[in-house]
Amino acid sequence: QVQLVESGGGLVKPGGSLRLSCAASGFTFSDYYMSWIRQAPGKGLEWVSYISSSGSTIYYADSVKGRFTISRDNAKNSLYLQMNSLRAEDTAVYYCARATLQTVDYWGQGTLVTVSS
Amino acid sequence: QSALTQPASVSGSPGQSITISCTGTSSDVGGYNYVSWYQQHPGKAPKLMIYEVSNRPSGVSNRFSGSKSGNTASLTISGLQAEDEADYYCSSYTSSSTLEGMDFGTGTKVTVL
Repeated sequence: QVQLVESGGGLVKPGGSLRLSCAASGFTFSDYYMSWIRQAPGKGLEWVSYISSSGSTIYYADSVKGRFTISRDNAKNSLYLQMNSLRAEDTAVYYCARATLQTVDYWGQGTLVTVSS
Repeated sequence: QSALTQPASVSGSPGQSITISCTGTSSDVGGYNYVSWYQQHPGKAPKLMIYEVSNRPSGVSNRFSGSKSGNTASLTISGLQAEDEADYYCSSYTSSSTLEGMDFGTGTKVTVL
């Protein structure tokens, strides 16, 4: 069965950096587009970034463009999100998702990122 | 990107039908048949319930159905059950001259009375 397991979340100060990882299993990772989606505490879902199966096409939400970098390692079945210049408003649960820009068919359980001094 | 508009809450009694709306623009909901719906129970990850406006993934009950008219998509839950009590979000592909991505709805809390 499809499994997506995120790691790397935690408490970071404003202006700091964090790298999230997602380990994928149960499907041929290199065949699928992937995304990161976040949810602030008590709030709705927000799409963050998308990467194509080969990594050649990448998109970002305006709110993170220039600060976040998505990448993948198909040999390791892993997805990453490098987050720099973090702000309080980046505090959220970050979900790794098997997703095109059209739909999300599987979600990880999420990892909490808290940006606070 | 901008959030799609959903009602904050919808409620119904067991066995009844309810409908949740999701209103966007011609750049998202109205422009493409790429509307999805997700169910999220407290403390859990969302689950895909409907994709491409009206298609159900394998394993999703046929009590869930989707439709679209113009810039508004809808999710209908028929034969409401206690387990349907959850938050529901719509999403849509969005594209314009300056961006491409995915918009989510503001979310609707469904309460089974």
